[in-house]
Amino acid sequence: GAGVSQSPRYKVAKRGQDVALRCDPISGHVSLFWYQQALGQGPEFLTYFQNEAQLDKSGLPSDRFFAERPEGSVSTLKIQRTQQEDSAVYLCASSRELGSTEAFFGQGTRLTVV
Amino acid sequence: DQQVKQNSPSLSVQEGRISILNCDYTNSMFDYFLWYKKYPAEGPTFLISISSIKDKNEDGRFTVFLNKSAKHLSLHIVPSQPGDSAVYFCAASDNYGQNFVFGPGTRLSVLP
Repeated sequence: GAGVSQSPRYKVAKRGQDVALRCDPISGHVSLFWYQQALGQGPEFLTYFQNEAQLDKSGLPSDRFFAERPEGSVSTLKIQRTQQEDSAVYLCASSRELGSTEAFFGQGTRLTVV
Repeated sequence: DQQVKQNSPSLSVQEGRISILNCDYTNSMFDYFLWYKKYPAEGPTFLISISSIKDKNEDGRFTVFLNKSAKHLSLHIVPSQPGDSAVYFCAASDNYGQNFVFGPGTRLSVLP
């Protein structure tokens, strides 16, 4: 597709359940970002990949959060033992190259932990 | 502590008039700034950017002004159109695009 694609669009998880969120970036984009957006707030940086290398994971809130991009294309954000405070929209963005200042966002995955 | 602030949660403007959205930041190391627009149920869409070496960047109806000494930037939309109604996020980076810090957003409503 032409844009960044995220799946699922919506996910309801029971507290304690593990979830996996998928991001398909724009083809050929080197950089990939994950953001978490709580209701009424701006996106908050989670982690950043350049190709398959995770260069910055300083925004991951706990060791329950794990992201990977094994082949430098599709990325998965995994949250283990979900908690209610994990409820948010998870946004993925990609950009053409390192240092490119325009990132293209997907529609996000809305995670609700009940 | 919020590094990027948008102190107006909402703004209403009449169609055809100017919309001015403000953004303040605290980190003097920020060197690149962007504005994103977000419609409901969609991801943010890039609107316009400005480097710290400039004080103004214009793209059609959209102009961004940067005042580095005041650590303040603003987005001007003129003339405003109903289709501009959205949430606008200001974002800043201190390492040229690797990690953006977003503000909380301002909801703009352009009234016909």
